[in-house]
Amino acid sequence: DAKTTQPPSMDCAEGRAANLPCNHSTISGNEYVYWYRQIHSQGPQYIIHGLKNNETNEMASLIITEDRKSSTLILPHATLRDTAVYYCIVIYNTDKLIFGTGTRLQVFP
Amino acid sequence: GAGVSQTPSNKVTEKGKYVELRCDPISGHTALYWYRQSLGQGPEFLIYFQGTGAADDSGLPNDRFFAVRPEGSVSTLKIQRTERGDSAVYLCASSLGTRSSYNEQFFGPGTRLTVL
Repeated sequence: DAKTTQPPSMDCAEGRAANLPCNHSTISGNEYVYWYRQIHSQGPQYIIHGLKNNETNEMASLIITEDRKSSTLILPHATLRDTAVYYCIVIYNTDKLIFGTGTRLQVFP
Repeated sequence: GAGVSQTPSNKVTEKGKYVELRCDPISGHTALYWYRQSLGQGPEFLIYFQGTGAADDSGLPNDRFFAVRPEGSVSTLKIQRTERGDSAVYLCASSLGTRSSYNEQFFGPGTRLTVL
């Protein structure tokens, strides 16, 4: 079973920041937080991952709370192409990904 | 560069038939994964190969499902005596397979299997 809890859906206006929360209260000390997204009719796509520190790449930022029980994925300037299902995944290694049902993000004009 | 490819993109079969789904991973990727995705659900892990061997097949639902990767590259997922409940999108992913914190999985577009 997935070890994360995410809201089923969110809306965001184009150009605004999209903040997607994830709860992982049972995370272990050696487990990483990964984010993937799945655009309609495509395979999932890696976005970002982190252990303790906040991370940023060209796609997004990942903010992990100090107690590591929750995190937030931030898309700083959402576009229509960011409309997708976003999955927060907690894993020790990367042998397999355990997906939950994710958050369906709808970016509107 | 070429990504993960899967063939066929769509497969329609009748209940009880045998099907094979093929995955071509990214060149040089030693790890290969199969997932299954039902409508409205997240992908569900089936099996993971490291090289030619199945390192984890705990997700295969029953003995009708089998996968091979004989040369450590292309993989085939085989389903015997298909049932209507097998209808789903079958996703393949590959990765470098290193035991590090960063081991991004690259997914193919999937094969949509419909069992009538």
